[in-house]
Amino acid sequence: DVKVTQSSRYLVKRTGEKVFLECVQDMDHENMFWYRQDPGLGLRLIYFSYDVKMKEKGDIPEGYSVSREKKERFSLILESASTNQTSMYLCASSLWTSGIGLETQYFGPGTRLLVL
Amino acid sequence: QKEVEQNSGPLSVPEGAIASLNCTYSDRGSQSFFWYRQYSGKSPELIMSIYSNGDKEDGRFTAQLNKASQYVSLLIRDSQPSDSATYLCAGDSQGGSEKLVFGKGMKLTVNP
Repeated sequence: DVKVTQSSRYLVKRTGEKVFLECVQDMDHENMFWYRQDPGLGLRLIYFSYDVKMKEKGDIPEGYSVSREKKERFSLILESASTNQTSMYLCASSLWTSGIGLETQYFGPGTRLLVL
Repeated sequence: QKEVEQNSGPLSVPEGAIASLNCTYSDRGSQSFFWYRQYSGKSPELIMSIYSNGDKEDGRFTAQLNKASQYVSLLIRDSQPSDSATYLCAGDSQGGSEKLVFGKGMKLTVNP
């Protein structure tokens, strides 16, 4: 079974703090993704990575950065946390597409972040 | 910007009924579609993927894809209270990208 783990289930931080969210997958997937999920807005892609040290911006990258130093680990960094970054953060991973259709994305359990 | 649209619902059905969830997409070139189920407070989990026109069945679930009309649907037969969740539809993004575009989800409640 694919396993995607995230470092924290719940996190409380202060405005201006630097926040690190960690994601690890154990299935040798090439692709890793960071989303945030907010009521009424659905899942929105922040960043994704298709290889070590490679990253691409998603739909809402402002205020975030990412790091992928090892294939199994993808970190999301909030450089200076703000209250509007209070959200559920979800990490996902998938195999690189080799056939006609995209491979399934598998999600971690999520981190609920509260910025005060 | 590629879009995937779902009726926001909510949808309420009695136990044992068929629940029908629908999704339309804007990019005629999209080829891959996924249905995820998300229980409250949990992360999305895959129910089905579908890549070809027609129906794909897995137990009580049937996914339907109609590329000419650009819609994808999920039917849940013999609905159970445990099916109560938010269902997310997703489709592939730009050609060659590994990204998915998600609908906003529809909340389904199955009443005993």
